[in-house]
Amino acid sequence: DADVTQTPRNRITKTGKRIMLECSQTKGHDRMYWYRQDPGLGLRLIYYSFDVKDINKGEISDGYSVSRQAQAKFSLSLESAIPNQTALYFCATSGLRSDYNEQFFGPGTRLTVL
Amino acid sequence: AQSVAQPEDQVNVAEGNPLTVKCTYSVSGNPYLFWYVQYPNRGLQFLLKYITGDNLVKGSYGFEAEFNKSQTSFHLKKPSALVSDSALYFCAVRDTGTGFQKLVFGTGTRLLVSP
Repeated sequence: DADVTQTPRNRITKTGKRIMLECSQTKGHDRMYWYRQDPGLGLRLIYYSFDVKDINKGEISDGYSVSRQAQAKFSLSLESAIPNQTALYFCATSGLRSDYNEQFFGPGTRLTVL
Repeated sequence: AQSVAQPEDQVNVAEGNPLTVKCTYSVSGNPYLFWYVQYPNRGLQFLLKYITGDNLVKGSYGFEAEFNKSQTSFHLKKPSALVSDSALYFCAVRDTGTGFQKLVFGTGTRLLVSP
């Protein structure tokens, strides 16, 4: 969905490096999410944010941090990347009044940690 | 806690034949159910949802899904498959409890439609 953009689309980095993945949306949604996708595991929620001042941990937040710089921007950081953080990362949004938490996804960032 | 299962890692079907992608769920209350599709190098795209009402839900690209409460299932169907339907399909569920209820995704089913 072009309304949700992620940068970079691909990134290769080394163990111990700090990495930031960025997400921007033009949908005017209040809620934003970060997921990681691993083969055979589906999507797992890392962090979610209801607004700039409301950030919550998801099911796999260890090793990650986030920043909600504005309503439209939500960044995911890996302070010290490790190989098992190699995955496909998705940002998603939903509106406060969207139908039952229907979510809209960005194109994903493929991260490889060597 | 809610959960969703997609028992098939892959479904193979010939073009023009009907297709079914299976999904079963577990929630403590009433479910809200979703199907998403992921094409190569793309994010997930919403296909359809069940909230309440008619058990047969129609969605994008000719897909439909049937909600069966007694079997706790929400199988995705299409009467006539296209090669372009080949993709990764995810079922998701959320509970109807108060407060924020996260979406829980299945592990995905890869659909391969052969010409």
